[in-house]
Amino acid sequence: DVKVTQSSRYLVKRTGEKVFLECVQDMDHENMFWYRQDPGLGLRLIYFSYDVKMKEKGDIPEGYSVSREKKERFSLILESASTNQTSMYLCASSLLGTDYGYTFGSGTRLTVV
Amino acid sequence: QKEVEQDPGPLSVPEGAIVSLNCTYSNSAFQYFMWYRQYSRKGPELLMYTYSSGNKEDGRFTAQVDKSSKYISLFIRDSQPSDSATYLCATTPYGNKLVFGAGTILRVKS
Repeated sequence: DVKVTQSSRYLVKRTGEKVFLECVQDMDHENMFWYRQDPGLGLRLIYFSYDVKMKEKGDIPEGYSVSREKKERFSLILESASTNQTSMYLCASSLLGTDYGYTFGSGTRLTVV
Repeated sequence: QKEVEQDPGPLSVPEGAIVSLNCTYSNSAFQYFMWYRQYSRKGPELLMYTYSSGNKEDGRFTAQVDKSSKYISLFIRDSQPSDSATYLCATTPYGNKLVFGAGTILRVKS
């Protein structure tokens, strides 16, 4: 069964901490995405990557960075966590050239206190 | 104006009812339309996929796209408590990036 695995289901971090969220996919997908999901706002794209070491900003990149050193792994970094970054974070992947069929991970619920 | 508008609900229906979930979109160039289902504390999963206008049926689910009115719908027949979830519509305006609606929370009561 193909999978996108997010390393943590729940995280609690303190304001100002540097936070790493990890995502691994086993489908050899080129595209990987990081979204955050908030009630009433839906899914908002933070960053995405079409290839190793490639990254592009999404709609809300401020306060975040990403790293993609290997094809299967896409990391989201909160440089200095703030309370307004408390959210559900979802990683997804897809094949290059397809306009459908994102596979999502189960999400990481991050609380910043 | 958001590219995809979706009523967040919640929508509460009795078991066995026909459910209609709807989205509107702004860009007439959108070609691919999807519905994702998201159970509580899980990631979204692809439920239905349609290209351009028309209907697509899969069991109790029917996805419908009306490009003339920029309206997409998901119908669920004989709804079950296991259908209780958040339903997200999505479309691709460009490249490989999906744009999602806010999601509609559906509750099917037994």
